[in-house]
Amino acid sequence: QKEVEQNSGPLSVPEGAIASLNCTYSDRGSQSFFWYRQYSGKSPELIMFIYSNGDKEDGRFTAQLNKASQYVSLLIRDSQPSDSATYLCAALLIQGAQKLVFGQGTRLTINP
Amino acid sequence: EPEVTQTPSHQVTQMGQEVILRCVPISNHLYFYWYRQILGQKVEFLVSFYNNEISEKSEIFDDQFSVERPDGSNFTLKIRSTKLEDSAMYFCASTAGRNYGYTFGSGTRLTVV
Repeated sequence: QKEVEQNSGPLSVPEGAIASLNCTYSDRGSQSFFWYRQYSGKSPELIMFIYSNGDKEDGRFTAQLNKASQYVSLLIRDSQPSDSATYLCAALLIQGAQKLVFGQGTRLTINP
Repeated sequence: EPEVTQTPSHQVTQMGQEVILRCVPISNHLYFYWYRQILGQKVEFLVSFYNNEISEKSEIFDDQFSVERPDGSNFTLKIRSTKLEDSAMYFCASTAGRNYGYTFGSGTRLTVV
């Protein structure tokens, strides 16, 4: 079973601080990793993806990938109340057909 | 920005009835998917579709489920005889390929009573 694991939270962070979200995966064949944001009752919305070891920055968001440790993280700088949502980590599996496998999500609350 | 469109947004059906969920993927995308999310649980893969055929299906996708791309734009998920446990949010997604993100539709909330 190809698993993606996240701490379900809730994670509470004061406004303006850095929120750090973590994810581990079990399949070393996973090629790319995606972070989605999901507001309650809504569909997943792509934030960013990463496929090379190291950091990738996009505005206030930084994704980090460490393939040796099978670890992915997302940092949100200058957190805003509108960042309050569930953050989903997903791994792209390409054995056979390609598909995204999701973790259970981390609920993040930004406190004003 | 291109969107994946799903209809209806909410469907209530009686147990044992057939339902068809509809999706219009992004026009230049090649890979299409159905996922579902039971309330409070993770987003689960159901089926992938490429080149007009199913490329992979999960254990959830049993004989009660089928998918079709009847024309160049629509992509449908049919559940032949709904069960109470089919109640969930169903998401359609599409992508241009492995180096691109998946774009999800807004979902259909299916309630089986």
